[in-house]
Parts: sequence; C-alpha cells; structure tokens
Amino acid sequence: QLQLQESGPGLVKPSETLSLTCTVSGGSISSSSYFWGWIRQPPGKGLEWIGSVYYRGITYYNPSLKSRVTMSVDTPKNQFSLKLSSVTAADTAFYYCARHRDYGGNLGDFDYWGQGTLVTVSS
Amino acid sequence: EIVMTQSPATLSVSPGERATLSCRASQTVSSNLAWYQQKPGQAPRLLIYGASTRATGIPARFSGSGSGTEFTLTISSLQSEDFAVYYCQQYNNWPPMYTFGQGTKLQIK
Repeated sequence: QLQLQESGPGLVKPSETLSLTCTVSGGSISSSSYFWGWIRQPPGKGLEWIGSVYYRGITYYNPSLKSRVTMSVDTPKNQFSLKLSSVTAADTAFYYCARHRDYGGNLGDFDYWGQGTLVTVSS
Repeated sequence: EIVMTQSPATLSVSPGERATLSCRASQTVSSNLAWYQQKPGQAPRLLIYGASTRATGIPARFSGSGSGTEFTLTISSLQSEDFAVYYCQQYNNWPPMYTFGQGTKLQIK
C-alpha cells in the first residue's frame, strides 16, 4: 500500500522560505506513470494545486505561485520536496503531498495523499 | 484558467436518501474531471476520475456523470460515513493547471 508522509517546520516567519519534504513508502518514486504533487488548503477553505514534479526533474507549477516555488526529487531517498519563498500570512495552510497520475502526457487526478501538515506563517 | 463552480455550497439530506452534487467548468474539460471526498481532519480521498470511473475501493453507491462543462456526483443511498465535503477537480489544461471547485458540504438533514 502506497503511503506518503509530509515533514517540515510547522511555523515559518514572514519573508522566509517554507520547506517541506514528502517521503514515499510502499512504492517507487521513479515510476514512469506518475508525477508527484503538492496541494494546499488554508484552514476552512478549498484546495489549491501548487505544483507537480517528475522523478527526472520535470516540473509544472501553478502560474500564480511559479515565481516563488521550487520542487525537486531525491530518488535514492524516495522523497520529493517543496520550497516556497517569501512567504506571508496568506501562505498559512495545510500542505498535502500526493501522487499525480500521468495519462500519457496529460496529468490527471491525485490518487494517493499524505495526511497533510499545517504550516503557519507568523513572526 | 478554468474555473470550477460547485453547487450547492451546502446540501442537507437524510440518511438513506439520494444526494446529487453539481460541478460546472468555465470551459469544456471533456471527461477530465475527478471527484474527492474530504472528512474533517483528513486528506481528500479520490472517488471518481474520468468523470464516471470509480476509484479503487469506492462503493457502487457513488457514481459520476457528465462531460464538457456539466458534471454530477450522485450518492444513491446516503450512509452516515458519507457526510463530508466533496470537491471536483479538472485536469484538461495545457499548459498544466489543475483547479478544484470550492466544495459542497453534505450534511445530515
């Protein structure tokens, strides 16, 4: 059974960089059929796709966040990561990592999710 | 950007009854639509993909329909565990941009 687990600081100061890691177990991050994504959800609000990364380093980012987002993969550790720079209080949210299915070049749904981690931006 | 609009925002239904949730896309997404269920304190769970295909392990009482811009999630006979928030998500964009609806809260009547 595939499992994903987010890790990282729960509190980040304004203007600093948010850094999260997702560890994948029960399957390989190097599968050709999947990207690996990050989705966030401000408390009590809806879902926002942040970006997705392929194990070979191909990345797709939400245009509204693109200037601040960097995603990468560490295949030996079976992990992928998110960095979001210059954070403000508006970046306070639950951050989820998820497996993003690739339908032959067109990414689709998210079929496995981590439990999520709350990141608060505050001084 | 394709905007997804769900209705109603809140739906009150009695256990055992049918629930019908709607999702509308601002432009056609073909059948590139998924539905998710989210319970309090939990991550979303994939229910439906390709507008009408149930994900692994999802009970048959959940069904999806529609194509183009209009989609429906139907829960045929509500169980207590079905009361949750439901989100639709489109994946028809190029360049890639994956957007979710704002959610429908399904609550007990």
